[in-house]
Amino acid sequence: DQQVKQNSPSLSVQEGRISILNCDYTNSMFDYFLWYKKYPAEGPTFLISISSIKDKNEDGRFTVFLNKSAKHLSLHIVPSQPGDSAVYFCAASASRNKLVFGAGTILRVKS
Amino acid sequence: ETGVTQSPTHLIKTRGQQVTLRCSSQSGHNTVSWYQQALGQGPQFIFQYYREEENGRGNFPPRFSGLQFPNYSSELNVNALELDDSALYLCASSEAVGLTKNIQYFGAGTRLSVL
Repeated sequence: DQQVKQNSPSLSVQEGRISILNCDYTNSMFDYFLWYKKYPAEGPTFLISISSIKDKNEDGRFTVFLNKSAKHLSLHIVPSQPGDSAVYFCAASASRNKLVFGAGTILRVKS
Repeated sequence: ETGVTQSPTHLIKTRGQQVTLRCSSQSGHNTVSWYQQALGQGPQFIFQYYREEENGRGNFPPRFSGLQFPNYSSELNVNALELDDSALYLCASSEAVGLTKNIQYFGAGTRLSVL
């Protein structure tokens, strides 16, 4: 069962514009959410996270929004840069040990 | 500060063989988790080790086993390899078990091909 879903396999954005990556989850026990970025031949790199007690967290160009009632989170990247081109994974945690990942979204930022 | 390192980077095995993958955790981290990432999918949790004990296991058969050593490094062992075991195996370390802020830091992975 897919508890974390990223319904857009890919996204293409012009440099300087906003990138919005979406993620939906089904397990209401999830209380911590993370975004990871992955380049080819590298492991996932932690980007930003949010606790379920918040609805927004910002870190520089990256902002994560959480809508608990809709079981939806999104990652906003403003402004997008060519170096942001990567696969982005949404992950969620409930049990303090495992992370449950979505299938990923390929982001391409065109210059 | 050293990050998470994994060895080897690539491995080719035949069906039925056994394989051992290794991971050194990030400095200051005492918890190690292993994930399997098949092509086109997100990482799937195999198990986690904390203080040399298994602390949670995903939906993987017993032929997937692990160890954690006193220096917090870890091994993933897979017996009786099957073709479907071909995947990228990722190791992640974190500061401590049981924290709400469950941030895990990943190595570059070991690419296993089973022929």
